[in-house]
Amino acid sequence: EAAVTQSPRSKVAVTGGKVTLSCHQTNNHDYMYWYRQDTGHGLRLIHYSYVADSTEKGDIPDGYKASRPSQENFSLILELASLSQTAVYFCASSEKGVGNTLYFGEGSRLIVV
Amino acid sequence: GDSVTQTEGQVTVSESKSLIINCTYSATSIAYPNLFWYVRYPGEGLQLLLKVITAGQKGSSRGFEATYNKETTSFHLQKASVQESDSAVYYCALRRNNNNRIFFGDGTQLVVKP
Repeated sequence: EAAVTQSPRSKVAVTGGKVTLSCHQTNNHDYMYWYRQDTGHGLRLIHYSYVADSTEKGDIPDGYKASRPSQENFSLILELASLSQTAVYFCASSEKGVGNTLYFGEGSRLIVV
Repeated sequence: GDSVTQTEGQVTVSESKSLIINCTYSATSIAYPNLFWYVRYPGEGLQLLLKVITAGQKGSSRGFEATYNKETTSFHLQKASVQESDSAVYYCALRRNNNNRIFFGDGTQLVVKP
């Protein structure tokens, strides 16, 4: 069964530290996405990628970098974690084309202290 | 810019009663976006419930329906008779069909009382 897996599922990080969230998909999809969700709010797009070795900025890219070393893997990097980056992060993948469905991972809960 | 609005943070309905969860959208960058409802059941990941990519059409799944109304820019989710197992968080979403950026509403928590 196709799947999107994220690691770690939960992390406590220190302010100013580096955090890397990883995402792996077995869907053979071209597109991958990183979303952020704050309590009581919807998902907001941070970065996305159409193809390996290329990433695009989403709606809230400041403070985040992304890396797509292969079709299957997409990482989100917080070089200097801040308190305001405490949130749940979701990775997703989709095929290209009109109306295609997003397939989500389980989410990574990040707490910055 | 493009956005999705869900006015109710939580809706409580008794089992076997009807349901409507409101969703309106603003798509300033493109006339006819694709529209989706995603759902997160307790303990599960976010998954697609239904989608409609053509204005005027209706989508349905698991007893839920939503009609893409371009005149009122709405995509309300309806069900004639809810069950306790429908308790979940429902997200309305909009996708521009000229790229893959998807905008989500804030979600509506559905609580079905037995």
